[in-house]
Amino acid sequence: NAGVTQTPKFQVLKTGQSMTLQCAQDMNHNSMYWYRQDPGMGLRLIYYSASEGTTDKGEVPNGYNVSRLNKREFSLRLESAAPSQTSVYFCASTPTDTQYFGPGTRLTVL
Amino acid sequence: DQQVKQNSPSLSVQEGRISILNCDYTNSMFDYFLWYKKYPAEGPTFLISISSIKDKNEDGRFTVFLNKSAKHLSLHIVPSQPGDSAVYFCAASPPGGFKTIFGAGTRLFVKA
Repeated sequence: NAGVTQTPKFQVLKTGQSMTLQCAQDMNHNSMYWYRQDPGMGLRLIYYSASEGTTDKGEVPNGYNVSRLNKREFSLRLESAAPSQTSVYFCASTPTDTQYFGPGTRLTVL
Repeated sequence: DQQVKQNSPSLSVQEGRISILNCDYTNSMFDYFLWYKKYPAEGPTFLISISSIKDKNEDGRFTVFLNKSAKHLSLHIVPSQPGDSAVYFCAASPPGGFKTIFGAGTRLFVKA
């Protein structure tokens, strides 16, 4: 039982490049989330998926898109990366109120 | 405007003593509160939670207190251990639970 897995662990992009962050969970949770963590800001919700087939914006959705591919997988796409998107990205899943987080992806945009 | 505030960026405590981490919130609609613990290079892990209908919840060395009138919650760790050294995030959820708001975190150092 791996829990929540994220790939890649680290990524460096140039401004304007695109990439997709992958997230998968094997706990059969309905809801999945993407957060970003910046110094002094805590975790801020980018997008969430309450259940398979649905996605909704969180607090900071601009510049991102998401896909809930199936119950297990929830991906985050940056179409045209900007330096302001340099951050640590966490995926999480939950059966109810408690969230289970992945190990994070550290993204640097030059 | 931050809806969940952890005003102490860091806290240093001697091993065996009590650690008290504080959190304030502004939105009276929040009905569920959680504490997460985070070690470097790992994702946050759930520690303890409390519903707005309670004022205290205990789990081993960890106790969370909720004062709804003051919109304040605190996490008490007794006794503190060096392994408790981590960043602690306070979080608050509105009804429905999807848009949880996290505080900026407090880094706890427990000195041996």
